[in-house]
Amino acid sequence: GAGVSQSPRYKVTKRGQDVALRCDPISGHVSLYWYRQALGQGPEFLTYFNYEAQQDKSGLPNDRFSAERPEGSISTLTIQRTEQRDSAMYRCASSLAASGTRNEQFFGPGTRLTVL
Amino acid sequence: AQKITQTQPGMFVQEKEAVTLDCTYDTSDPSYGLFWYKQPSSGEMIFLIYQGSYDQQNATEGRYSLNFQKARKSANLVISASQLGDSAMYFCAMYHWAGSYQLTFGKGTKLSVIP
Repeated sequence: GAGVSQSPRYKVTKRGQDVALRCDPISGHVSLYWYRQALGQGPEFLTYFNYEAQQDKSGLPNDRFSAERPEGSISTLTIQRTEQRDSAMYRCASSLAASGTRNEQFFGPGTRLTVL
Repeated sequence: AQKITQTQPGMFVQEKEAVTLDCTYDTSDPSYGLFWYKQPSSGEMIFLIYQGSYDQQNATEGRYSLNFQKARKSANLVISASQLGDSAMYFCAMYHWAGSYQLTFGKGTKLSVIP
């Protein structure tokens, strides 16, 4: 079956522009996560949804970052007024449900964002 | 606060040999899960193995096993019979069951398999 997909795979933008990154989770997965991965580091949590509800946005670095999942499936991470420090790999992951004892998260291929 | 420590930035192993990648964690919560992910040069994140904090036995998945020592708060990944395709970054990660299940990752270990 299809895994988690993300688009675009690569995005180059100029400082000050807004960008929208899209994540399409595995069909039937309730929970969706966004992470950011700097070069040579592990991913860092940004935000999390159960269905369409944003349950935790504690990892969003500032108010330029926002995310939505209006119909409980596809999610969009938006960065307004991009800055060079926003350059990173943005990863989306989904899981069946964030409950119980095992919550295996499946990752998408990521969007490599470069802000010039 | 959760913290994952991977002290080996890079490791080398001879093909067909076994290798252990270290991971220690810090948490005061008794209920948590531990994961290992593989990230090859292509950039994808591949789930390898999971261990729950209350699991009595060490997890195994094919050539991967997790040496879980709860008292020491360590969850080392053992790869048996290394293959050239095992060359990759390996990340240890943890979440707590009570909460958002967000994964906290270590900095990773780069494994290189030598023919």
